[in-house]
Amino acid sequence: EAGVTQFPSHSVIEKGQTVTLRCDPISGHDNLYWYRRVMGKEIKFLLHFVKESKQDESGMPNNRFLAERTGGTYSTLKVQPAELEDSGVYFCASSPGTSVGEQYFGPGTRLTVT
Amino acid sequence: RKEVEQDPGPFNVPEGATVAFNCTYSNSASQSFFWYRQDCRKEPKLLMSVYSSGNEDGRFTAQLNRASQYISLLIRDSKLSDSATYLCVVTRRGGNTPLVFGKGTRLSVIA
Repeated sequence: EAGVTQFPSHSVIEKGQTVTLRCDPISGHDNLYWYRRVMGKEIKFLLHFVKESKQDESGMPNNRFLAERTGGTYSTLKVQPAELEDSGVYFCASSPGTSVGEQYFGPGTRLTVT
Repeated sequence: RKEVEQDPGPFNVPEGATVAFNCTYSNSASQSFFWYRQDCRKEPKLLMSVYSSGNEDGRFTAQLNRASQYISLLIRDSKLSDSATYLCVVTRRGGNTPLVFGKGTRLSVIA
């Protein structure tokens, strides 16, 4: 079974530019989460989708971040315009509807804003 | 105060040693508890869930003390392959819900 995939693996952009990160969850997983790890800090929750609906977006830092999950399959996270403090590793995770606790993480996208 | 606190380490131990990690959480309403493992520049992976009754998986034993809001992980007979960062994780609610992570404790097992 294919795991969670994320694209790109690395992205280096300049401040003010736009970047779109993509996550493909494990097939059939209704729950999709975005997390971020800023250097030196713990992994922090950004957003939770159940199918195509945003269940919880309390972790989104500001309105420069926009997440979508078209048709309840893959998800995108757009940062526009990017700021220096947006640098970090963005992880996507998915879990089936019946899961309690285990989330399957993708390899992450390392974003560097210069 | 962080919601999940861990000693960042690093813990440098010889092969075969027993090592214990501790974690405290501040939200008394936390529902579920886990240890995740993260290898360098890789994604976190679930190591084991943690229950009040304690649970064991081979060389790994996890314990939860709800009264003290304390979680532990014991690794016996350490292997080189155990070298990683161990993340203490809780959830605020039951069911499918976001994970709340500690910063992690780094373990290096030395030959």
